Amino acid sequence: EAQVTQNPRYLITVTGKKLTVTCSQNMNHEYMSWYRQDPGLGLRQIYYSMNVEVTDKGDVPEGYKVSRKEKRNFPLILESPSPNQTSLYFCASSFRTAEKLFFGSGTQLSVL
Amino acid sequence: DAKTTQPPSMDCAEGRAANLPCNHSTISGNEYVYWYRQIHSQGPQYIIHGLKNNETNEMASLIITEDRKSSTLILPHATLRDTAVYYCIVRVRGDKIIFGKGTRLHILP
Repeated sequence: EAQVTQNPRYLITVTGKKLTVTCSQNMNHEYMSWYRQDPGLGLRQIYYSMNVEVTDKGDVPEGYKVSRKEKRNFPLILESPSPNQTSLYFCASSFRTAEKLFFGSGTQLSVL
Repeated sequence: DAKTTQPPSMDCAEGRAANLPCNHSTISGNEYVYWYRQIHSQGPQYIIHGLKNNETNEMASLIITEDRKSSTLILPHATLRDTAVYYCIVRVRGDKIIFGKGTRLHILP
């Protein structure tokens, strides 16, 4: 089944403790992206990747890192999480840029 | 800032057609209009997309004005399961994809 898989689904952590949210797609998509969603602010893009080893900043990249060492994986890294990064995170992928996006189920992150 | 403008919320009676408008006055000639919806806190789901011509699939119809500055998503027979936030997006600023806040559609029984 074609899908985008995010893990974990829920995560509670403390300020400053490094964490990684994984994202994997099985559709051989070139484009992958991370979004965060906060009440009243809609979906905001954090980082995106056009292909392996190619990443770029979205609208809200501060405090996040990403890597694209393999086509199927696009992990989101929070080196030193802070409470303002408490949010619902979505990973998405598409065959090419801005084509039909497939989204993961989301990761609800709480930073205490 | 989002390059599309949508009403924040709309109501529609169950069984009636839901018509969701979107303004995208700065759209470029080669930019597609995409529609997605998000039910509760699930991942957004693709609905339909178009460039110039009207499009229809099993979920909805998309009407794009001749000048391409606006479009309307039509859900022909709305059901309670269509209650969701609907996002209209166009490709802007290269490879960034800006979703905006969307329209919260309430289907009334």
